[in-house]
Amino acid sequence: GQQVMQIPQYQHVQEGEDFTTYCNSSTTLSNIQWYKQRPGGHPVFLIQLVKSGEVKKQKRLTFQFGEAKKNSSLHITATQTTDVGTYFCAIPTQTGANNLFFGTGTRLTVIP
Amino acid sequence: SQTIHQWPATLVQPVGSPLSLECTVEGTSNPNLYWYRQAAGRGLQLLFYSVGIGQISSEVPQNLSASRPQDRQFILSSKKLLLSDSGFYLCAWSVNFGETQYFGPGTRLLVL
Repeated sequence: GQQVMQIPQYQHVQEGEDFTTYCNSSTTLSNIQWYKQRPGGHPVFLIQLVKSGEVKKQKRLTFQFGEAKKNSSLHITATQTTDVGTYFCAIPTQTGANNLFFGTGTRLTVIP
Repeated sequence: SQTIHQWPATLVQPVGSPLSLECTVEGTSNPNLYWYRQAAGRGLQLLFYSVGIGQISSEVPQNLSASRPQDRQFILSSKKLLLSDSGFYLCAWSVNFGETQYFGPGTRLLVL
């Protein structure tokens, strides 16, 4: 069945430190998406990666898609308190209607 | 631009009572619609999805049901709530399956 493992589950960092979350799939992916959910809020789409080895940047956020298209990472440089939240990766399911399957998320806490 | 609404924002219901949560989308036609549940501090569990009016697919067996009486309206219902139904219910839409999903603000349900 469809599986995606996201690590770590929780991460506490001091403000200014870097942060990375990883998603690993058991199968080759056509694409991967990343979402951010602020505390008390709803998930918001950040980015989609499609190409093998793709790297995309959004200000202090760097997204990578592995060469084998089985893993992805989100790296935040010099975290700020506004980065607090849970980061989810999402992959297309391979059955049925090709919905999105969300990872378990990484909850980031930034200590001021 | 497209917007997605959910109501109510919060709800406290006794065990055994009925439930009706509503989601509406504006600014798009024939969207794919989704209902997710998120337990406190957990990931997203897909409950139902719909490709069109009257077409509902269920992902997990439970005492919840969904309906789509109009193109841009998605309703989540229950005849008798259980304690385990407590959670954060999120509605989302997308243009096509596997593509970016846009989430509503969610409904926090507490069953006592």
